[in-house]
Amino acid sequence: GAVVSQHPSWVICKSGTSVKIECRSLDFQATTMFWYRQFPKQSLMLMATSNEGSKATYEQGVEKDKFLINHASLTLSTLTVTSAHPEDSSFYICSYRDSSYNEQFFGPGTRLTVL
Amino acid sequence: AQSVTQLDSHVSVSEGTPVLLRCNYSSSYSPSLFWYVQHPNKGLQLLLKYTSAATLVKGINGFEAEFKKSETSFHLTKPSAHMSDAAEYFCVVSDWGTGGFKTIFGAGTRLFVKA
Repeated sequence: GAVVSQHPSWVICKSGTSVKIECRSLDFQATTMFWYRQFPKQSLMLMATSNEGSKATYEQGVEKDKFLINHASLTLSTLTVTSAHPEDSSFYICSYRDSSYNEQFFGPGTRLTVL
Repeated sequence: AQSVTQLDSHVSVSEGTPVLLRCNYSSSYSPSLFWYVQHPNKGLQLLLKYTSAATLVKGINGFEAEFKKSETSFHLTKPSAHMSDAAEYFCVVSDWGTGGFKTIFGAGTRLFVKA
């Protein structure tokens, strides 16, 4: 299956700072990527869909000005959490959907802790 | 609209006994269904998937699931549990809806395996 990487795997930051998470597709070109958030002991919730070369589509309740998504190339999508607060502490996971296999491939996730 | 219901938030079995994790779904069209496993502080691993081929799907590590359209179910089973199976399991449905392609995660079922 396709390989998706995320960097960093974990990050700790102070409240008010911004954090960028990178999601790379290593062996394919991804026109569409998905960003999910998972709070402790909860399921994954879709935050936004990232389209290469165009604006991301955000799910209801997700602040687009707080969670900036950039998908400038077919192999890289970034999620920037701006002015992070402790309530943004979560596990962020990116995913690519391969329409050929009708399957989504998930990155290993990034654990964000905001102090 | 798609939805996924995992009927048990947690299941506890003894090592060597059968595992049953229940999942019901709703979808307007022809969904693809998946089971993922997530070990603590880890990313998602695909166990198996149904994409309109055989209704009985075999996955990795001895897991299998049966797609029953009449019951809108996709229960996950394994004949004999192993200690290493203890993890969180997610039932997932992917389908095209009015808002485009969507992937919806169930709330998850935590599997405990007793020695």
